[in-house]
Amino acid sequence: SQKIEQNSEALNIQEGKTATLTCNYTNYSPAYLQWYRQDPGRGPVFLLLIRENEKEKRKERLKVTFDTTLKQSLFHITASQPADSATYLCALDSGGGATNKLIFGTGTLLAVQP
Amino acid sequence: KAGVTQTPRYLIKTRGQQVTLSCSPISGHRSVSWYQQTPGQGLQFLFEYFSETQRNKGNFPGRFSGRQFSNSRSEMNVSTLELGDSALYLCASSLIGGSGTEAFFGQGTRLTVV
Repeated sequence: SQKIEQNSEALNIQEGKTATLTCNYTNYSPAYLQWYRQDPGRGPVFLLLIRENEKEKRKERLKVTFDTTLKQSLFHITASQPADSATYLCALDSGGGATNKLIFGTGTLLAVQP
Repeated sequence: KAGVTQTPRYLIKTRGQQVTLSCSPISGHRSVSWYQQTPGQGLQFLFEYFSETQRNKGNFPGRFSGRQFSNSRSEMNVSTLELGDSALYLCASSLIGGSGTEAFFGQGTRLTVV
């Protein structure tokens, strides 16, 4: 069956450290994978997109990797801050890249301690 | 520019009733997708509309339906409400949809069925 798993339900780290979140999927062949941030009571906010032919993408303190052989994406936040505390969701395209049918993982709740 | 607007923000309905939720996408966006978010199942894709046509549908019963108008505004309807329909319903708009265009989410409509 098709599955997307984010390995940790919750992750606690100290301010200044690098947070690494994992997203694994099975029985999908996504054209791209996205990462979103969601704060309580709000809709998800887009962070980064990485395509199947890209290995790595960076944006400020964020870095995403995509390994289609391992069927895994890693999301890194360097120099983490308490303001980075939120739920992070990975989402992959299940429409063959032609439509916006996103399948979301269950999310990882990141808590950055000051 | 204005973001995605969902109305109403909160709704309380009784089992057996029906409900209509509204979504106004970002100006110029033609793709509108709907998602249901619950603590147990996470974010689940309901359907996507593009240029007034349903382009994709998730695995939800026929009680869940939607439509899109010529101005790209979208509505979703749930008939014969069940307790399990209590959830946060999120709408996301994209410029064209597909090819990895980012999705902009609204704040959601919190539906409680009693």
